[in-house]
Amino acid sequence: AQSVTQLGSHVSVSEGALVLLRCNYSSSVPPYLFWYVQYPNQGLQLLLKYTSAATLVKGINGFEAEFKKSETSFHLTKPSAHMSDAAEYFCAVSEVWSSNTGKLIFGQGTTLQVKP
Amino acid sequence: GAGVSQSPSNKVTEKGKDVELRCDPISGHTALYWYRQSLGQGLEFLIYFQGNSAPDKSGLPSDRFSAERTGGSVSTLTIQRTQQEDSAVYLCASSPHPSSYEQYFGPGTRLTVT
Repeated sequence: AQSVTQLGSHVSVSEGALVLLRCNYSSSVPPYLFWYVQYPNQGLQLLLKYTSAATLVKGINGFEAEFKKSETSFHLTKPSAHMSDAAEYFCAVSEVWSSNTGKLIFGQGTTLQVKP
Repeated sequence: GAGVSQSPSNKVTEKGKDVELRCDPISGHTALYWYRQSLGQGLEFLIYFQGNSAPDKSGLPSDRFSAERTGGSVSTLTIQRTQQEDSAVYLCASSPHPSSYEQYFGPGTRLTVT
């Protein structure tokens, strides 16, 4: 079964600093991987997705993630944090290949705090 | 265009009562998903619809939970005889097709069982 592990339930950075949110997955088939962001009292918004094309994926709001098969990782980065980046971030894997439903398996989430 | 909408946004109910949660997907999206977000369990898949059929109900936690979709559009998630552990945010998402990779989420319904 596929699973996702997000290392660190809470990450705090200073405004302007590098953001690094870690995600590792387990999958017996080529995965599709996603990062979603959730602002307070809102639904999830797709930041970026990996679907077996380029391993470096660029998303919205200056975020990007790199798929590393050898490390089974899909870490999310942003060179310079902004106050508006404070939110909860979820890494997810899709079971498109194994079950053909597209349902998402989520990590436990990482809350990003940005300090002025 | 309009996104996924859910109603009500908040629902407080007494233990033992039945509740219905509604999801209006993006027009034309054939795939619809329900997820539950709770403090203890994180984000969990509940059920998947393709059109009006539900080929994957594997995430429904008990037989008190059921869902239907009509006209390939609106979906209702029903919880019978609610328990306190049902308290959570219930999220609906839709997608043009299950293999289109992108799911668009609604704002959720926050259910509190007292």
